[in-house]
This record gives sequence, structure tokens and C-alpha cells, in this order.
Amino acid sequence: AQSVTQPDIHITVSEGASLELRCNYSYGATPYLFWYVQSPGQGLQLLLKYFSGDTLVQGIKGFEAEFKRSQSSFNLRKPSVHWSDAAEYFCAVGTSGTYKYIFGTGTRLKVLA
Amino acid sequence: DAGVIQSPRHEVTEMGQEVTLRCKPISGHDYLFWYRQTMMRGLELLIYFNNNVPIDDSGMPEDRFSAKMPNASFSTLKIQPSEPRDSAVYFCATRGFLNEQFFGPGTRLTVL
Repeated sequence: AQSVTQPDIHITVSEGASLELRCNYSYGATPYLFWYVQSPGQGLQLLLKYFSGDTLVQGIKGFEAEFKRSQSSFNLRKPSVHWSDAAEYFCAVGTSGTYKYIFGTGTRLKVLA
Repeated sequence: DAGVIQSPRHEVTEMGQEVTLRCKPISGHDYLFWYRQTMMRGLELLIYFNNNVPIDDSGMPEDRFSAKMPNASFSTLKIQPSEPRDSAVYFCATRGFLNEQFFGPGTRLTVL
């Protein structure tokens, strides 16, 4: 069955520190992979996406993610976190044909000043 | 483009009342999705449309929920009668040309 796992429910980092949010997926074919960010009271904003090709993808707001097929992972990274990055982050797998997404349960990021 | 537009942004109603949530998709996007977000269950896909036709409504929780897309510019999600457990944030999203989904700001529904 298709699934997405975000093992960390909460993460706290200091401003300026590096960040890595984990995402593991289970999907039979080559997946479409996405990271979204949700600030309080807001909708979901697309940070970046992977379809094929280069396994390291760059997104908005200085984020990047690396697709590792052997590990079924698509971890999100940022070299230096800003206080405005505090939000909830969702990983999603898109299924070809139906275009449905399977979302992870989210990771809530707290940034310490 | 204004993005996906949802109305109202907030809705407070009493149990038993009918609730209608509205969505205006991004022009040219052929898929429209309705999601529900709660603390307990996270993001759930309720139903989605392709070219105004419902494709999969397996996520609709009960017969009290219904959704329509009468044209490419408008969709509604209706709950009749509403119950307190329907309290959630409801999102509409549309599919872009590269399979990404663009979300609206959501409607926060509170059923008393």
C-alpha cells in the first residue's frame, strides 16, 4: 500500500542552525514527491517537487530536498533556519494517473531565537 | 492569477444546519480536490473532480456530505445536516500543469 511517513512530529532548532526533516515513502513506481509548508491559519504552500532527473531539487525560501530511491526517502533540508520558517511541513507522494496525493502527518518546526 | 479562492474563510453554525463551502479554482486547471484537515486525522482527501466530473468520492465520510462542480470555475462542498464532529478546516486545491497541487486558504468550520 502507498504511504508516507514523517517520523518527527515536532522539531526544535535554533535560528541559524541547519535543518533536516525526514520523509519516507512507500510506492510501487517512481513517485512524484512534494514538500509543502503550512503557516498557522494558512493554506499549504508548495516548497519543492521531484518528478525525475536530478535527485537534488531546489525549492523556494532556500530549501532543498534529496530523493534517495534506495532509502525510499525524500528529506528536506535548509542550511540556516530563519525564525520565519517556523511552521508545519508536509511531505506528499503523488500517484500517477489519478493525481491523488498521499500526505504525511506533518512535522511541526519550532525555531528558537 | 489570484490563486484558488475559497469562501467563506470562517463559518460558525449550529448543529443540524446546512453548510455550503465554495471554491473557485485556478483558471485552466483540470483537477479539483477537496480536503479536510483536523488535528486527529490530519489531511484527508474527500473527493476530487476531473473536468468537472467527480472521479473518486471514497473519502467523503457520510451521505451528509456532497460536492458538486457545475462548471470549470466553481465547486461547492455541502454538509447537511452538520454535526460538531464536522468542525475542521476544509481546503480546496487544484492541479497544475506539472502535477503539483495549489491550495486555497481554507475554510475553518465550527459546528456548535
